Amino acid sequence: GESVGLHLPTLSVQEGDNSIINCAYSNSASDYFIWYKQESGKGPQFIIDIRSNMDKRQGQRVTVLLNKTVKHLSLQIAATQPGDSAVYFCAVKSNDYKLSFGAGTTVTVRA
Amino acid sequence: EPEVTQTPSHQVTQMGQEVILRCVPISNHLYFYWYRQILGQKVEFLVSFYNNEISEKSEIFDDQFSVERPDGSNFTLKIRSTKLEDSAMYFCASSVDGRYGYTFGSGTRLTVV
Repeated sequence: GESVGLHLPTLSVQEGDNSIINCAYSNSASDYFIWYKQESGKGPQFIIDIRSNMDKRQGQRVTVLLNKTVKHLSLQIAATQPGDSAVYFCAVKSNDYKLSFGAGTTVTVRA
Repeated sequence: EPEVTQTPSHQVTQMGQEVILRCVPISNHLYFYWYRQILGQKVEFLVSFYNNEISEKSEIFDDQFSVERPDGSNFTLKIRSTKLEDSAMYFCASSVDGRYGYTFGSGTRLTVV
């Protein structure tokens, strides 16, 4: 099976600063990793994904880093904005067809 | 952009009653899923469905739960006799190939009273 954990349950960041959210997974056979954003009362919203054959992928203001050696995944948000306040989950897929989710980090952006 | 749609957005039911949660996956997706999230907890896998049959289910998905694809577009989750502990957000998701590109719906908040 897969165990997915987040390093910090909450993160408070000043508007304009960069945010880093970390995630650890247990199964070295995991091959696909996704970061989701969840706002109150809504479903997980896709942010960015990365496959195991890559170690970095960039999107608009977001970067995902994958370190397969230590089984660690991170999400970096550049120039954090008030609209980035939400719960962020990492999700990991192993050699089956389902996702295992981490517990979530609540990001609060201070004005 | 294609979406997974779920109805209703909120369902209140009495303990012991049957509920059916409905989902319309993205039209060219072949793999369908139900997940649930109890308030304040992580999203948990319930069941995956492919080629008109369950491909995997979790320990949570006991005999009280069933899934069905009654036609070419809908994917339903039925809870036969709801318990208080079934209160949660239920999310439907779909994927074109079961490997990448999972899209989630907005969820149904089920409240069992």
